[in-house]
Amino acid sequence: ELKVEQNPLFLSMQEGKNYTIYCNYSTTSDRLYWYRQDPGKSLESLFVLLSNGAVKQEGRLMASLDTKARLSTLHITAAVHDLSATYFCAAFRWVQFYFGTGTSLTVIP
Amino acid sequence: EAGVTQFPSHSVIEKGQTVTLRCDPISGHDNLYWYRRVMGKEIKFLLHFVKESKQDESGMPNNRFLAERTGGTYSTLKVQPAELEDSGVYFCASSQDSLNTEAFFGQGTRLTVV
Repeated sequence: ELKVEQNPLFLSMQEGKNYTIYCNYSTTSDRLYWYRQDPGKSLESLFVLLSNGAVKQEGRLMASLDTKARLSTLHITAAVHDLSATYFCAAFRWVQFYFGTGTSLTVIP
Repeated sequence: EAGVTQFPSHSVIEKGQTVTLRCDPISGHDNLYWYRRVMGKEIKFLLHFVKESKQDESGMPNNRFLAERTGGTYSTLKVQPAELEDSGVYFCASSQDSLNTEAFFGQGTRLTVV
């Protein structure tokens, strides 16, 4: 079974600071997703990473994928309060998502 | 276009009772998935429908869980009888085809069994 480890579980960061969330997966995956969830809301797809070396950026978030290391990162640049949410990585293989435990991010002034 | 919607958003029931969760996928999406997140753990796959057929139910925890998708539209997930360990958030997702790049998730149903 494909296992996904995500860390940290909780992250409290000051506005303006940078930080990285890490996502390791145990075996080959077809693609890697990053989702954001706000309380009571749907999982919102942020990025889909399809191949080794893929890098995608949207605003203050940048995701990358290293398939050889089986590692994806979500980098936050100059955090702002409205980035506070829970972030999930998910490896996709065949027809199934395999999720990490999620990172609960709180950005404090 | 409406997204994936789930009902109810919250449910609190007593141990031994029955609860039915509902998922309305995006119109035209043949693929429907159920996932569950137990407190503090990862979101885990429960099962996958293609239209009204169960393609994979390997993630269903035991026979107290019954999922249906009559007519290939909305789906229900019934837990009978509920146990304390069934508490968690149940997510539904849908996609046009099972191998495509995008699946859309609902907001989840938070189930608390007391």
